[in-house]
Amino acid sequence: ETGVTQTPRHLVMGMTNKKSLKCEQHLGHNAMYWYKQSAKKPLELMFVYSLEERVENNSVPSRFSPECPNSSHLFLHLHTLQPEDSALYLCASSQDRLAYEQYFGPGTRLTVT
Amino acid sequence: AQTVTQSQPEMSVQEAETVTLSCTYDTSENNYYLFWYKQPPSRQMILVIRQEAYKQQNATENRFSVNFQKAAKSFSLKISDSQLGDTAMYFCAFMSAYTGTASKLTFGTGTRLQVTL
Repeated sequence: ETGVTQTPRHLVMGMTNKKSLKCEQHLGHNAMYWYKQSAKKPLELMFVYSLEERVENNSVPSRFSPECPNSSHLFLHLHTLQPEDSALYLCASSQDRLAYEQYFGPGTRLTVT
Repeated sequence: AQTVTQSQPEMSVQEAETVTLSCTYDTSENNYYLFWYKQPPSRQMILVIRQEAYKQQNATENRFSVNFQKAAKSFSLKISDSQLGDTAMYFCAFMSAYTGTASKLTFGTGTRLQVTL
């Protein structure tokens, strides 16, 4: 596979469930990002990882827990979500944390019931 | 904090025609980057074009060009000879050159462009 891949592409979960979103980049990049895309709102940056170290956390609720075990993989662990967390979650990567071009994955469409 | 405003939620253009998407931004910084990203219905966001604020010349990429007006803080995208494959959401984005700990993109709310026959 090439570029940035995300699994699953669609996820429906109840408010008491625990699930994880996975992102993998095949570009040899060192920085990875999670964004939340809600209808009619700008993309919101959630987390930034550089060389597996979290360098940015934009006041995201603790029910979202990121994990970056290596520079190619990024996870977003979800637990006790709220219906307002339903959105498209996009993963992106860049060559390094200072690079201006980010490459995006196709996203995971999350629905919380 | 920077803000990016796209005042056109939806636009439509006929195939082969030219369309211009508007974007304004607000920043107190002098050195930054501006981008247009395209998100087709399949949802993979891709970079269309970028502009460095220190460059006076407008960026061009094939049928895509920008009109960068730094004093007015305006950054519009012109698509010439529109094609059906140009149908997508278009996002304007800003990035400070002073990145601190990490590069951060600030996005607008997007413009949905429909290209029709």
